Amino acid sequence: AQKVTQAQTEISVVEKEDVTLDCVYETRDTTYYLFWYKQPPSGELVFLIRRNSFDEQNEISGRYSWNFQKSTSSFNFTITASQVVDSAVYFCALSEAVGGGADGLTFGKGTHLIIQP
Amino acid sequence: SQTIHQWPATLVQPVGSPLSLECTVEGTSNPNLYWYRQAAGRGLQLLFYSVGIGQISSEVPQNLSASRPQDRQFILSSKKLLLSDSGFYLCAWSQRRQETQYFGPGTRLLVL
Repeated sequence: AQKVTQAQTEISVVEKEDVTLDCVYETRDTTYYLFWYKQPPSGELVFLIRRNSFDEQNEISGRYSWNFQKSTSSFNFTITASQVVDSAVYFCALSEAVGGGADGLTFGKGTHLIIQP
Repeated sequence: SQTIHQWPATLVQPVGSPLSLECTVEGTSNPNLYWYRQAAGRGLQLLFYSVGIGQISSEVPQNLSASRPQDRQFILSSKKLLLSDSGFYLCAWSQRRQETQYFGPGTRLLVL
């Protein structure tokens, strides 16, 4: 069965610090997809990134970067020079290409990121 | 561009009352549709998904049900609410399996 673990329940940093959110996943599939979503206080989930299991290249988008390592089954998310607006709950999620029958995402329990001014 | 709507935004219902939450998607056709629930302090749990009109798959046995009467409409229902049904309900859509799911604004349900 697939599983996503976000061991950090809450992280608090001061603005402009860099912060890394950890995500470890479990799957028996060789083809799968990994996602990160942001949930601000309003509640709506905002899509950040989707990565397939065959693409291990790290990705950078502005202050955001993602480090995908199949060897350690991790897909970590780093925010550089954090800002107060980055405060939110961040979810890592997994979708398997085959197996289980479900088309939905398996989510981790989320990391609550607090950026203090 | 595609948009997804959910209503109501907030709902307070007594135990034993019925429930109907609606989700509609605009700007796309034949989407995959999903209902998730987020209980307080927990992650999201997939409840139902649909790949087409009248096609519903349930992931978690409970007193909730889902229906898809139209291509871009997805409804979550219950005949009798339980206290444990309280939570934040999110609808999502994707164009195809394993593609990105985009979420609606959600409905906060409080059962008293």
